[in-house]
Amino acid sequence: KQEVTQIPAALSVPEGENLVLNCSFTDSAIYNLQWFRQDPGKGLTSLLLIQSSQREQTSGRLNASLDKSSGRSTLYIAASQPGDSATYLCALSGGGADGLTFGKGTHLIIQP
Amino acid sequence: DTAVSQTPKYLVTQMGNDKSIKCEQNLGHDTMYWYKQDSKKFLKIMFSYNNKELIINETVPNRFSPKSPDKAHLNLHINSLELGDSAVYFCASSQGSGGSKSPLHFGNGTRLTVT
Repeated sequence: KQEVTQIPAALSVPEGENLVLNCSFTDSAIYNLQWFRQDPGKGLTSLLLIQSSQREQTSGRLNASLDKSSGRSTLYIAASQPGDSATYLCALSGGGADGLTFGKGTHLIIQP
Repeated sequence: DTAVSQTPKYLVTQMGNDKSIKCEQNLGHDTMYWYKQDSKKFLKIMFSYNNKELIINETVPNRFSPKSPDKAHLNLHINSLELGDSAVYFCASSQGSGGSKSPLHFGNGTRLTVT
C-alpha cells in the first residue's frame, strides 16, 4: 500500500526566500506524481505533473523534481510571495483507475 | 467557464437523513472521482468512475453510492447519514484514469455537516 509523507507539515518564511517542500513515498512503482495547492475553503489546483519517466517539471517560479529510486519529490518555490501562502499537497498515481494517493500537505505561510 | 462544479457548497443535515451532492464537469473528461477530506485535512479517494469501470475504496461504507447519468456527471448519494460523515467532499475529473498523463481537476468542495 502506497504511503505518502510530506515534510514539513507547516512552514513560515519571509517574503522573497527560496524554499523547498518535500514529499516521500514508499512504493516506487508510480505512474505519475502531481503537486497541488489548496487555498482555504477552495478545491485543489494542479501545479505540476511529473510522469514517472521524467526527472523534473518547471512552471514559472515552481520546479518539481522526482527521484523514483529514492522515493522522493521536491517542490522548489523561488522568490516566494505572500500569494504563495496555501497548503501544498503531493499526490501519486499507481497507474490504475483508483485515483491518487495524497500526502497530508505542507501548510505554507509567506510573511510580507 | 470550463470547470468541475459541485453543488451544494454547504450542506447541513441531521443524522439519519439521505442526501445527494451533485457534480458536473464540462472538460470533456472521461473519468470522475469523489474524494473525502476529513477534519485533519487528509484527502482520500472514495470512488473513481469511467464509462467502463467503477472502483470503490474498500473502506467506504455502502451507505455511499455514486450515480452517473452521463459522462459529465457523477453524483454522490449518502443514505442514513452519521456524525462521522461530516467532512468536505471533493469531486474531480481527468482524461483517462489515474494512469493518464492528464492532471486531475477538482471542484471547490461540499462541506457536509451532520448534526
